[in-house]
Amino acid sequence: TQLLEQSPQFLSIQEGENLTVYCNSSSVFSSLQWYRQEPGEGPVLLVTVVTGGEVKKLKRLTFQFGDARKDSSLHITAAQPGDTGLYLCLAGTYKYIFGTGTRLKVLA
Amino acid sequence: DAGVIQSPRHEVTEMGQEVTLRCKPISGHNSLFWYRQTMMRGLELLIYFNNNVPIDDSGMPEDRFSAKMPNASFSTLKIQPSEPRDSAVYFCASRDREKLFFGSGTQLSVL
Repeated sequence: TQLLEQSPQFLSIQEGENLTVYCNSSSVFSSLQWYRQEPGEGPVLLVTVVTGGEVKKLKRLTFQFGDARKDSSLHITAAQPGDTGLYLCLAGTYKYIFGTGTRLKVLA
Repeated sequence: DAGVIQSPRHEVTEMGQEVTLRCKPISGHNSLFWYRQTMMRGLELLIYFNNNVPIDDSGMPEDRFSAKMPNASFSTLKIQPSEPRDSAVYFCASRDREKLFFGSGTQLSVL
């Protein structure tokens, strides 16, 4: 069974700080996705990374896929209270498995 | 586009009762997934369908759980009999290429 470990599990920071969330596995993936989930809602796709070493930017969010396609990171620059939520990585071909999740709280 | 629609949003029932959760995927999406979310275990894949056919149900916790997809626009997840440990948020998702689109979930509480 594929296992996606995310770190940290919880993160509470002040508005304006930078942070990085990690998603690690022992398996190689053809692609990996990042989702954000807000209370009372389902996860929403942020980005898909496909190529080893790929870097994608979405406003203040930077996503990187590891060269070996076993890990990924999400970096947020100048975090805002609106970034608060549960960040999840997801991988798989047909059987999509979520990571353990990182719960982020950004304080104003 | 209405997105993935789940019903009910909240369900409170007593132990031993039958519970049926419903999902309407996005039209044109040919894969459907059921997930369960708890604080302890995170988001767990229960079962997924491709073209209305169950492909992998290895995540279904027990025989008390069953899922059907009688047509491309409707799926159900049934728990019979329900137990307090089934309390969780159940999500349905449909897939377009590599993207999953989730419903708002059903919050199930079994007393």
